[in-house]
Amino acid sequence: GPKVLQIPSHQIIDMGQMVTLNCDPVSNHLYFYWYKQILGQQMEFLVNFYNGKVMEKSKLFKDQFSVERPDGSYFTLKIQPTALEDSAVYFCASSWGTDYTFGSGTRLLVI
Amino acid sequence: SQWGEENLQALSIQEGEDVTMNCSYKTYTTVVHWYRQDSGRGPALIILIRSNEREKRSGRLRATLDTSSQSSSLSITAAQCEDTAVYFCATDLSGSWQLIFGSGTQLTVMP
Repeated sequence: GPKVLQIPSHQIIDMGQMVTLNCDPVSNHLYFYWYKQILGQQMEFLVNFYNGKVMEKSKLFKDQFSVERPDGSYFTLKIQPTALEDSAVYFCASSWGTDYTFGSGTRLLVI
Repeated sequence: SQWGEENLQALSIQEGEDVTMNCSYKTYTTVVHWYRQDSGRGPALIILIRSNEREKRSGRLRATLDTSSQSSSLSITAAQCEDTAVYFCATDLSGSWQLIFGSGTQLTVMP
């Protein structure tokens, strides 16, 4: 079926540096999401995005986080500056109605 | 949180056995999603049950939904080794675009 692609699959970055996680959502989906998962724990909602705007965000979506999808290209999550506690797997998802599709995640390690 | 159980549960069964996983939720929802997550992958939807359905079947999977007790279950009949995964339930919060995940069950099916 249709897939959500996430690039890169792994990223190691020094604390304080900027990182951008990229997501190519399903082509006819209109809602986009980022979730954070720490090993062995549940998926936690960060933010959703529709029509060029953030619709909702959680307490985990710190001021250092931002999202955008310029001109229908990648849907991105930018963290600037990164902190050690940002180490996790970040999953992108897109949806249309109740049809949610998740990517395979970007494993981010902040050292 | 949306869900009653916070910690990842673990279940270990023998191949051929039946297994049932349960979730309870705290706020109103119109649909419960059940996902499986294989190691190193994103969640994949396996069955979705709406508030007007008490039971939904898909192959060896059976989901139930009891809106009066705000609980849902996922059963797997004659489990196979390839059913080994983490299983999450998730709901759409009414009036929100968020998909909120439960803590999940790590199911291990042994040969």
